[in-house]
Amino acid sequence: NAGVMQNPRHLVRRRGQEARLRCSPMKGHSHVYWYRQLPEEGLKFMVYLQKENIIDESGMPKERFSAEFPKEGPSILRIQQVVRGDSAAYFCASSRPDVNSPLHFGNGTRLTVT
Amino acid sequence: DQQVKQNSPSLSVQEGRISILNCDYTNSMFDYFLWYKKYPAEGPTFLISISSIKDKNEDGRFTVFLNKSAKHLSLHIVPSQPGDSAVYFCAASAQGGSEKLVFGKGTKLTVNP
Repeated sequence: NAGVMQNPRHLVRRRGQEARLRCSPMKGHSHVYWYRQLPEEGLKFMVYLQKENIIDESGMPKERFSAEFPKEGPSILRIQQVVRGDSAAYFCASSRPDVNSPLHFGNGTRLTVT
Repeated sequence: DQQVKQNSPSLSVQEGRISILNCDYTNSMFDYFLWYKKYPAEGPTFLISISSIKDKNEDGRFTVFLNKSAKHLSLHIVPSQPGDSAVYFCAASAQGGSEKLVFGKGTKLTVNP
């Protein structure tokens, strides 16, 4: 029973390039969340999605960041024209639709912008 | 403005003793609280949660206590084991669910054999 799968585990991009981070939720989970963790910080909420719908994107930077969770395939977090400040660990989580269903996290993608 | 605070960056205890990790929050709208454990290079793992209608929840060696008037919660681990050594994050939600969690910065627990 696979958990939340994220790939790649490590991603290196030069400033100005695009980064695409993928997340496949656990089987039976229809809700996906993206969180970002900067060094020495806690995780910060970015976006909450259900299939083909963005439910809450209040934590997403206004520019360069976008997320989708298509009907088929993984959820994608896309960062355009990356800058050094985007270097962080990006964690995806999924949950069942039940109220108070805990979030299950993947092992993250560590993005390094050079 | 940090809404969830874990004021101890680290804690060291002896194997077999009790570990107590603390967490304070400022947002009165928070009504659901969780603890996650995180090992290096892995994602956070859910440990235990508590709703604001309760003041205690227990699961094996782990117990979470909630003091709403003080806006304080704590995680007790007893007895502590070396495998419990990890970073522990407190998280809170204001929506009656766990969709949009606000995390503390974490406390690194070391359990010495």
